[in-house]
Amino acid sequence: NAGVTQTPKFRILKIGQSMTLQCAQDMNHNYMYWYRQDPGMGLKLIYYSVGAGITDKGEVPNGYNVSRSTTEDFPLRLELAAPSQTSVYFCASSRGQAVQPQHFGDGTRLSIL
Amino acid sequence: QKEVEQNSGPLSVPEGAIASLNCTYSDRGSQSFFWYRQYSGKSPELIMFIYSNGDKEDGRFTAQLNKASQYVSLLIRDSQPSDSATYLCAVSLTSGTYKYIFGTGTRLKVLA
Repeated sequence: NAGVTQTPKFRILKIGQSMTLQCAQDMNHNYMYWYRQDPGMGLKLIYYSVGAGITDKGEVPNGYNVSRSTTEDFPLRLELAAPSQTSVYFCASSRGQAVQPQHFGDGTRLSIL
Repeated sequence: QKEVEQNSGPLSVPEGAIASLNCTYSDRGSQSFFWYRQYSGKSPELIMFIYSNGDKEDGRFTAQLNKASQYVSLLIRDSQPSDSATYLCAVSLTSGTYKYIFGTGTRLKVLA
């Protein structure tokens, strides 16, 4: 039972490079989310999706893009990486009902140098 | 700006004591409330959730919700050193889609 799988676990990028963080879930959840967590801080929502083909911005979307072509996958794209994007990124999924919790992946630790 | 507020701590309690973690939220339309535990360097894991006023117990954990006061708490009885972690409070919003707002977390230290 894999749940939510994120790859890679760690990555170091140079300023200006681009990369895609992968997220996949096998629970047939409609909702998927991307968060970033800076040291000592809570989770900030970057983007979320309510189903295949439907995405929307969260609190901190600038510098990121997402797509949702299938129910299972929700990749996060960083274009022109900046030091301010150094963070831990978590992907999560849920059934999209009020009393249903989110299930988190193990996270991707990203450093921009 | 919808907010969820927690005392950042650290909250230090001796082993075997009751730890009380508190959270306030600003959106009166919030439906569900979640407590996650996050060990250093790990992802959040769900401890329990509550959506009705009153208490909900699960083992050593009790969640308490007071919607009139916009207040939710987590009590940990018989605290163990393994409970030492950051506890995140999350609130689900009712804006037509199911989004969650997280507090910054309270760091709990259980002293052996």
